[in-house]
Amino acid sequence: DAGVIQSPRHEVTEMGQEVTLRCKPISGHNSLFWYRQTMMRGLELLIYFNNNVPIDDSGMPEDRFSAKMPNASFSTLKIQPSEPRDSAVYFCASSLGDRAKKLFFGSGTQLSVL
Amino acid sequence: EDKVVQSPLSLVVHEGDTVTLNCSYEVTNFRSLLWYKQEKKAPTFLFMLTSSGIEKKSGRLSSILDKKELSSILNITATQTGDSAIYLCAVEARRDDKIIFGKGTRLHILP
Repeated sequence: DAGVIQSPRHEVTEMGQEVTLRCKPISGHNSLFWYRQTMMRGLELLIYFNNNVPIDDSGMPEDRFSAKMPNASFSTLKIQPSEPRDSAVYFCASSLGDRAKKLFFGSGTQLSVL
Repeated sequence: EDKVVQSPLSLVVHEGDTVTLNCSYEVTNFRSLLWYKQEKKAPTFLFMLTSSGIEKKSGRLSSILDKKELSSILNITATQTGDSAIYLCAVEARRDDKIIFGKGTRLHILP
C-alpha cells in the first residue's frame, strides 16, 4: 500500500492567490482528517470526514478555507485568497473504522505564502 | 473546550538517560489516547491506550494511562540519538470521533 499521498510536497505562492492541496487516503479507510502544523500552535485539526461526509469543520480558521471529499479516494483543501499567516505544513491523515482511530499521515504539504 | 496539554515542551538529555514525557487532557466522552513520534515529516503511530493502568511496551518505549488523573506518560529508557523527535499526544473523543493533538514535546538526545 502506498500510504496516504499528498500533493504538492511544497507550495510557494503569493498573497491573494488560490491554493489547492490534495490528498489520497489509504484505500479502504473511511475517515479522513486535515491538520495544520506550526511551531506556535502545534498540530491543529481543521476538518474531518467520515464516509466522505464532513463531520466537524469547526477548526477551519475562516471562510477562506474550504474542504471537499467528492469520493472515498480523494480530498482537497482550498485556501482562497491565501495570506502569509496561512504558511504552515498541512497534513492529511486517514484511518479505518469507527473505533480507536490509528491515524496514518501523509508526508504533508509545506505551504509558504509570500 | 477539549484540550490536550503536553509537558515539557522541549527536553535535552544525554544518550543513555531515561526520559518521561507527560500528557494531560480534558475531553468530553474520552475514547482513547494515542502517542505519535514525528521525526522529519509525518507523525508515526507509537501506542494507543484505552484502559487505565495497563502498560504498553515497545522495546525501550512504554506508556501508561491514568483515567482518574486524566493523564498519560511516555517513558523512553536508555535513550539513543535516533530517539530525537517531537512526541505528540492525541486524544480521541467518543462523542464525535474527533482526534485532538497536544503541541508536542521536542526531545533532543545529545551523543
